[in-house]
Amino acid sequence: AQKITQTQPGMFVQEKEAVTLDCTYDTSDPSYGLFWYKQPSSGEMIFLIYQGSYDQQNATEGRYSLNFQKARKSANLVISASQLGDSAMYFCAISGTYKYIFGTGTRLKVLA
Amino acid sequence: EAQVTQNPRYLITVTGKKLTVTCSQNMNHEYMSWYRQDPGLGLRQIYYSMNVEVTDKGDVPEGYKVSRKEKRNFPLILESPSPNQTSLYFCASSPGRDAVVGYTFGSGTRLTVV
Repeated sequence: AQKITQTQPGMFVQEKEAVTLDCTYDTSDPSYGLFWYKQPSSGEMIFLIYQGSYDQQNATEGRYSLNFQKARKSANLVISASQLGDSAMYFCAISGTYKYIFGTGTRLKVLA
Repeated sequence: EAQVTQNPRYLITVTGKKLTVTCSQNMNHEYMSWYRQDPGLGLRQIYYSMNVEVTDKGDVPEGYKVSRKEKRNFPLILESPSPNQTSLYFCASSPGRDAVVGYTFGSGTRLTVV
């Protein structure tokens, strides 16, 4: 079985500062993928970043990086130099043998 | 344009009246899935399909049916909708279950069952 836990329902960050959104997971699959998605207030779901369970290096995509700690089963999203447009809901997800599971999300508010 | 097209965007219906939410993708993706999003619960997987004629239950399949007769289409059927199926529904597709590019999502269907 797979499980994703996001313990921060809401977060605030000052514009231009970095912020870390927490995600822990549990899975019995030997191979899996970890994903982060963004959902702005308009409602669409946007894929941000992917980390494979066998990847040695942490994934980065522009201002997004994924802090992957396999032994701790954590896959935190780091957003550097926050912008007002980063205000949104953020979801962590895991893909395993068949299913693709999402966490409950963290609502991020960037303050000017 | 590569996309997942989901219809309708909004739907209000009455309890027990069968409905279908359509989903179509133009990217030749193998993996397709349906989710429902409810406040505080995130996105929960209803059904998924690994390929044509291959479907399986997600975590919340009760009250829903799906079919995958063609690679591009993956409709969600509510045979007898009930108020607890009021939710925001998303269809999503990816090249494969473990594709590194993540899902492409449809725009969502906001369903209200009265």
